[in-house]
Amino acid sequence: QKEVEQNSGPLSVPEGAIASLNCTYSDRGSQSFFWYRQYSGKSPELIMSIYSNGDKEDGRFTAQLNKASQYVSLLIRDSQPSDSATYLCAVMLQDDKIIFGKGTRLHILP
Amino acid sequence: DTGVSQDPRHKITKRGQNVTFRCDPISEHNRLYWYRQTLGQGPEFLTYFQNEAQLEKSRLLSDRFSAERPKGSFSTLEIQRTEQGDSAMYLCASSLAGVTDTQYFGPGTRLTVL
Repeated sequence: QKEVEQNSGPLSVPEGAIASLNCTYSDRGSQSFFWYRQYSGKSPELIMSIYSNGDKEDGRFTAQLNKASQYVSLLIRDSQPSDSATYLCAVMLQDDKIIFGKGTRLHILP
Repeated sequence: DTGVSQDPRHKITKRGQNVTFRCDPISEHNRLYWYRQTLGQGPEFLTYFQNEAQLEKSRLLSDRFSAERPKGSFSTLEIQRTEQGDSAMYLCASSLAGVTDTQYFGPGTRLTVL
């Protein structure tokens, strides 16, 4: 059973600080990784995708991938109250199926 | 708005009834996925299509669930003889396989089974 693991939280971070979200996956052959943000009652919206080892930056967001450790992370700099949401890690398996973790609830403290 | 639409947005039904949901993907996308999400959980994979071919169906999915994607365009998900445990948000996503594989989600259909 292929799995994606995330700490469910809640993770509380002061406004303006860096939020760090982590994800591990079990399928060593996975090549594509995604972070989604989901507000309560809404559908997931894509934040970033990452395919290669290392860091990928987009505005206040940085995704980090380490395939050897089967680990993906998302850093949010200068956290804002509007960043309060559930963050979902998604992994494309070798059979092209995309599976999700349970999500980490992030709460930015004003 | 991602360009993926789902209909209806909400459905309330009585136990034992059949329901059908529709998803219209982004027009050029060849992959279409169905997920189910309950409160506090991540989206749970149900099935996916490449064009009109159904490539995989979750082993967790009972034979009461069926999905189609005729002509590789829109897709329907049917649940027969609904049970209270089927109450959830049903999400559809589409992607362009082999380019970015990034999924774009529709707004979801919230099903309540009484």
